[in-house]
Amino acid sequence: GAGVSQTPSNKVTEKGKYVELRCDPISGHTALYWYRQSLGQGPEFLIYFQGTGAADDSGLPNDRFFAVRPEGSVSTLKIQRTERGDSAVYLCASSLEPGGIAFYEQYFGPGTRLTVT
Amino acid sequence: GQQLNQSPQSMFIQEGEDVSMNCTSSSIFNTWLWYKQEPGEGPVLLIALYKAGELTSNGRLTAQFGITRKDSFLNISASIPSDVGIYFCAGQLWQGGKLIFGQGTELSVKP
Repeated sequence: GAGVSQTPSNKVTEKGKYVELRCDPISGHTALYWYRQSLGQGPEFLIYFQGTGAADDSGLPNDRFFAVRPEGSVSTLKIQRTERGDSAVYLCASSLEPGGIAFYEQYFGPGTRLTVT
Repeated sequence: GQQLNQSPQSMFIQEGEDVSMNCTSSSIFNTWLWYKQEPGEGPVLLIALYKAGELTSNGRLTAQFGITRKDSFLNISASIPSDVGIYFCAGQLWQGGKLIFGQGTELSVKP
């Protein structure tokens, strides 16, 4: 079946602008995760949704970052007043619901490369 | 906070050689995952480990969950050019949710 999809694949924006990044998880996956990956580093956790609610948003760096998942499927990561330091690849992952070991196995999308000029 | 130390940072090997890389943590994890990432792609799940001491294989890949639950290693046997990429370990606590990643091991394979 289809994997995790993310759009756009690339986004270039000017400092101070607002951006939205979209993630479409694997069908049937109730858990959705956002990570940020800087060049030469491993992904860093941002936020985790179980259904429509954020179960853990401890990785969001500041209040310029916000994410929603209104219907429990597609999620949007929103960044306000972008800064050059926000430039990174934003990765989305999904997994099955808690209750089985498959919940722990996260499957990643291709990412959105965000460049803030 | 929790940190994972992954080594080596990079490896340059000849096709056909075996490869070993490992990950250590200052904290205990309940799940260890190994991923491979190629340029312009997201990480691809290779192996998941759930029990201390567990040894799991996936083709030419073998991974182990350390007895102390603070480390894991990945072996690749008889490497081939398509093994090239960055390999990441990731640890997860008992409740699931966020993954904590190592810094990655970049593997280069000479034909």
